[in-house]
Amino acid sequence: AQRVTQPEKLLSVFKGAPVELKCNYSYSGSPELFWYVQYSRQRLQLLLRHISRESIKGFTADLNKGETSFHLKKPFAQEEDSAMYYCALRASKIIFGSGTRLSIRP
Amino acid sequence: GAGVSQSPRYKVAKRGQDVALRCDPISGHVSLFWYQQALGQGPEFLTYFQNEAQLDKSGLPSDRFFAERPEGSVSTLKIQRTQQEDSAVYLCASSLVRRGLGAGELFFGEGSRLTVL
Repeated sequence: AQRVTQPEKLLSVFKGAPVELKCNYSYSGSPELFWYVQYSRQRLQLLLRHISRESIKGFTADLNKGETSFHLKKPFAQEEDSAMYYCALRASKIIFGSGTRLSIRP
Repeated sequence: GAGVSQSPRYKVAKRGQDVALRCDPISGHVSLFWYQQALGQGPEFLTYFQNEAQLDKSGLPSDRFFAERPEGSVSTLKIQRTQQEDSAVYLCASSLVRRGLGAGELFFGEGSRLTVL
C-alpha cells in the first residue's frame, strides 16, 4: 500500500537556522516524490519534485530509497518560509502526507 | 481565468441536504483530481479523471459521493444526504500531463469549504 508519513505536525526554528522537514514513504514500486507548500491565504502549490533534482527558494530534497525518505532541507531558514509543507507520492494516484507547519521565529 | 477555479468557496448545508461543488480546471489540462481535506489533515485522494473518463474513484468514501466531468473540462463533485463527517475543504487540482508520462505538476484551486450542521 502507498503511504506518506510526516512525523512532525509543527516545526519551529529561528531565522538563519537549518531546517529539515521529514518525509517517509511506503511504496513497492519506483516512486515519484514531491513537496508542496501552502503559504498563508494562498493555495497549495508545488515546491519541488525529486526527478528535477532542483533547488527552489533554497530548499532541496534527496530521495533515499534505502531509507524510503524524501526529507526537505534548507541550510538557513527565512521568515518567509513559514508555511504548511506537504510531502506527496505519485504512484497509481497522488497521495499526500498530513503536513508539517513550519514556523520561523525572528 | 488563469488558475483552477472552484465554487462555491463556502457552503453550509443541513444534514441530509444534497450539495454540488464545481471545479473549472486550467484550460487544456487533461487530468483532474478531487481531494478532501479535513481540519489539520493533509489532502485525501477522492477521485481522478483523464479527460472525461473517471479512471480512479477508489477514494470516494461512500456511494453518497459522485463526481463527473462530462465534457472533459468542468467537473462537479456531488454529495448526497450530507452528514456531519462530510465537513471538510474539497480541493480540486488539474494537471497538463497524463498519468505515467512523468511528474506532472498539480495546480490547485482554493477549495470549497463545506460545513454540515
